[in-house]
Amino acid sequence: GQQVMQIPQYQHVQEGEDFTTYCNSSTTLSNIQWYKQRPGGHPVFLIQLVKSGEVKKQKRLTFQFGEAKKNSSLHITATQTTDVGTYFCAGSNYQLIWGAGTKLIIKP
Amino acid sequence: DGGITQSPKYLFRKEGQNVTLSCEQNLNHDAMYWYRQDPGQGLRLIYYSQIVNDFQKGDIAEGYSVSREKKESFPLTVTSAQKNPTAFYLCASSIGGRTDTQYFGPGTRLTVL
Repeated sequence: GQQVMQIPQYQHVQEGEDFTTYCNSSTTLSNIQWYKQRPGGHPVFLIQLVKSGEVKKQKRLTFQFGEAKKNSSLHITATQTTDVGTYFCAGSNYQLIWGAGTKLIIKP
Repeated sequence: DGGITQSPKYLFRKEGQNVTLSCEQNLNHDAMYWYRQDPGQGLRLIYYSQIVNDFQKGDIAEGYSVSREKKESFPLTVTSAQKNPTAFYLCASSIGGRTDTQYFGPGTRLTVL
């Protein structure tokens, strides 16, 4: 069946370092959505990418959608403690297929 | 304020008991969803409903049941047939189709004693 693989499962960074999570789909997607879940909280929608090769920015967050619309990435520049949480991608065709998430952990 | 509410926030249940989790939305969304999240895991779809009086099984529907008698409400019953029900349950809604942006409630953490 259709799958969205997300890596890595965890990423430990020092505050101020960059963070990247990647999603890969087994099939071409119509769009991809990104969500953030804070510890103990619920997923909150961040952004949706629709066009091939699309790049969108939200302050220190950069989202990319691949040319073939099968992969996507989220990059955070200079992480802060407020960035801590799990980042999920969700690929869309006739339904949303969720990645397993990447947990961002800031080292003390 | 528009949003999705879930109650209770924490729920404890004895083995063999059915329990119903509440989900209400005032966003006027047509579609509603139930997900299960286990520690350190992603979201797994239990049931979804795109219109009133209609719902479909998701990937892990066994041991669960739902109803959709009103647009605003989509309660989930965890039955005694669910072998490992301890988890975090999230309700979500979207404007229309299954590919739309989903808005989540705060979740219910169910523990079976």
